[in-house]
This record gives sequence, C-alpha cells and structure tokens, in this order.
Amino acid sequence: GQNIDQPTEMTATEGAIVQINCTYQTSGFNGLFWYQQHAGEAPTFLSYNVLDGLEEKGRFSSFLSRSKGYSYLLLKELQMKDSASYLCAVRDDKIIFGKGTRLHILP
Amino acid sequence: EPEVTQTPSHQVTQMGQEVILRCVPISNHLYFYWYRQILGQKVEFLVSFYNNEISEKSEIFDDQFSVERPDGSNFTLKIRSTKLEDSAMYFCASSFGQNPYGYTFGSGTRLTVV
Repeated sequence: GQNIDQPTEMTATEGAIVQINCTYQTSGFNGLFWYQQHAGEAPTFLSYNVLDGLEEKGRFSSFLSRSKGYSYLLLKELQMKDSASYLCAVRDDKIIFGKGTRLHILP
Repeated sequence: EPEVTQTPSHQVTQMGQEVILRCVPISNHLYFYWYRQILGQKVEFLVSFYNNEISEKSEIFDDQFSVERPDGSNFTLKIRSTKLEDSAMYFCASSFGQNPYGYTFGSGTRLTVV
C-alpha cells in the first residue's frame, strides 16, 4: 500500500527555522519531492531527493533517508510569504502526495 | 518559463451534466496527468497518459471519467453525469519524462457541482 505521513499543521515565527518531517511507505520509490501550495493554487516544485542526504537550495533544504523511509524539509529565515501547505510526495510510477503540512508564520 | 494552461478556471455545473476540463501541457512534454483536490483534502492522482493512451489510473477514475488528447496540444478530462462529490479542484500536470523536476502543474479548474 501507499502511505505518506506528515504533521497536519505547524506554527513558526518569522525569521526562525522550521523542519517539516515526512515518513513514507510505498510499493516503489523513484524519488521524493516537496511541493509548496498556497490556498487555492497549484502545487509548485520545491525540491527533489532520490539519493540519501541533504539537498540545499537557498533557504530551503531537503533530506532523505531511504532506509528509514524518512525525509524532512528545512526552511530557514522564515518569511510571511512562506505561510502555505507543504506537500511531501513520492514517485513510484506516478507522484503520490501526502496530506500536506499547513505552516503558519507568526510575525 | 513554459506553463501548463487550464481552462476554465472555475466551472459551475448542475448534477447529472457532463463537463470537459481542458489543459494545454508544455509543448515538448510527453507525459500528462490529471489530479484532483477536494477542498481541505490531499491532492489525489486520477490518471496518467502517455503515447496516446492511459498508462495508469486510480480507483477514483471510473467509467464516469475519460481523457483524450484530441490534437497535438490539448489534453482533456471529461466527467459524465457529474455528482455533488465531484466538486473539487482539478489539476492537469505534464512532464518531459522521468526527470528530477517532478511535474509542472497547471493552475487548476475549480469544479462546483450544484
């Protein structure tokens, strides 16, 4: 079966750092994605991991451990515009999404 | 930057009517997808399409649904005899192949069945 788990909601303060965790159990694995989705809008690509380790891209970093079925998205220097849902997604033959983590940023 | 274009942005239809949601994928992309997102819920896979045929479909994609690529640019999702529970945001996506950049999503069509 396919199962992707991530926290439903998180709250953080502007300028701080937040880590959003994701665990997955899928029948196949061809990479893990993080997408950002603002309310009423389409998901937009943030990061991709297929090998274990950390991928850094500006203020955003994503980590993968395939043996543990675990990933996290790290957001640094939080800005108000980072208030959104963050979707963990795994590709087997197609991309399957988790339910998303709604991140609230407080001033 | 190339975009996936979806029309209309919002459609209201009466229960039992047929709707066609339209998408123009990125021109050099070869794989096409439809996803839906019921309000407050997760993004769910409906169907993937490659080489002019369905390559995979989910349990949601029953006989009520069909997809078509009627010409070289458009990719459509038809929902026959809509039901209230079909109300959702429908996203089209495309990709060049098994690339590392995931899919490019269109901005979505919000379908409201009344």
